[in-house]
Amino acid sequence: GQQVMQIPQYQHVQEGEDFTTYCNSSTTLSNIQWYKQRPGGHPVFLIQLVKSGEVKKQKRLTFQFGEAKKNSSLHITATQTTDVGTYFCAGLRRYKLSFGAGTTVTVRA
Amino acid sequence: NAGVTQTPKFQVLKTGQSMTLQCAQDMNHNSMYWYRQDPGMGLRLIYYSASEGTTDKGEVPNGYNVSRLNKREFSLRLESAAPSQTSVYFCASSEVAWVDEQFFGPGTRLTVL
Repeated sequence: GQQVMQIPQYQHVQEGEDFTTYCNSSTTLSNIQWYKQRPGGHPVFLIQLVKSGEVKKQKRLTFQFGEAKKNSSLHITATQTTDVGTYFCAGLRRYKLSFGAGTTVTVRA
Repeated sequence: NAGVTQTPKFQVLKTGQSMTLQCAQDMNHNSMYWYRQDPGMGLRLIYYSASEGTTDKGEVPNGYNVSRLNKREFSLRLESAAPSQTSVYFCASSEVAWVDEQFFGPGTRLTVL
């Protein structure tokens, strides 16, 4: 079956630093969605990428979809304590969405 | 609008007991989903309903049944609970299956002893 892998599983970041989390699939994806889940909360949709090579920005967050539509990345600049949580990617292929295991981000003030 | 609501928020069962998790959405969405979330494993799809009147198995359907009662409501039933079903269960909905953003409920934390 389709697998979407996320790395790293954990990211410990100093406040103010940048980091990137990656999402990789063994097969071509129709689209990729990103969600954020705060501790004790539920997943909340962040963005969807559809086109090859697409780049979208939301304030300090930059999302990219690879040229081959097999991978994606989320880059956060100037990390803040509000960025704490788990970030999930979810890849769509053949009308099924598969979630990665997530990257859990902690921030040192 | 309440969005997606789930009941109960917490539940403790003994092995072999049955229960139904309720989910309702007020966004007039066509599609609804049930996921389970276990540590380190992300979200795994149990069942989904692409539209009212249809249901399909997801990645981990064994031990579960679902009912799309109407466009608003999608319930998940555990007929004979097992400790392996200890998890957090999320219901979600979207306008169109798979291609639209999914809106998640607050979750049900289930423990099976």
